[in-house]
Amino acid sequence: DSGVTQTPKHLITATGQRVTLRCSPRSGDLSVYWYQQSLDQGLQFLIQYYNGEERAKGNILERFSAQQFPDLHSELNLSSLELGDSALYFCASKGASEAFFGQGTRLTVV
Amino acid sequence: EDQVTQSPEALRLQEGESSSLNCSYTVSGLRGLFWYRQDPGKGPEFLFTLYSAGEEKEKERLKATLTKKESFLHITAPKPEDSATYLCGALRETSGSRLTFGEGTQLTVNP
Repeated sequence: DSGVTQTPKHLITATGQRVTLRCSPRSGDLSVYWYQQSLDQGLQFLIQYYNGEERAKGNILERFSAQQFPDLHSELNLSSLELGDSALYFCASKGASEAFFGQGTRLTVV
Repeated sequence: EDQVTQSPEALRLQEGESSSLNCSYTVSGLRGLFWYRQDPGKGPEFLFTLYSAGEEKEKERLKATLTKKESFLHITAPKPEDSATYLCGALRETSGSRLTFGEGTQLTVNP
């Protein structure tokens, strides 16, 4: 158990809809990273937050947004969903050194 | 732009046949080089962080090393349970702390 919790584990939704993925980092970790992993692909960096502030941005679509709340949990919002958004979405929590991943949310857009 | 390249894409070994996986990186101001193991449909499992050239870390049959341009993950006498995808990620020092990953090496160890 990495100590990073992601909910829900699975999500099936229709095209055009909006969903919210949640990540609770390890206790004491201030930094949260979000990644997208499509089938048999590598981890594509989306966005990073540190103590509530956006720190780095990757190839995140305009339809996607994220935030980190005062209790340090983070949410990734995906809107106007398309079939191509189907993927595993991971968050990683980082402290002073190591970065630990959650078990991911599998999003299926139908 | 940060770039992390892993090779080979896939590797098949016989049980007990040692080998190495490569991770080359082009990152502005490397702050750390991370190795993970990922099983299908699961989250990446942390293995090592390396911080400076010349550093080595070991865990069971795995040893990770770091130079100024690349990192190697050496697997000694692998077992079938070592079969997984191994991911390498580079953390940059500047402009936030972006953690960029390579595409991974899919390792299969046959009994």
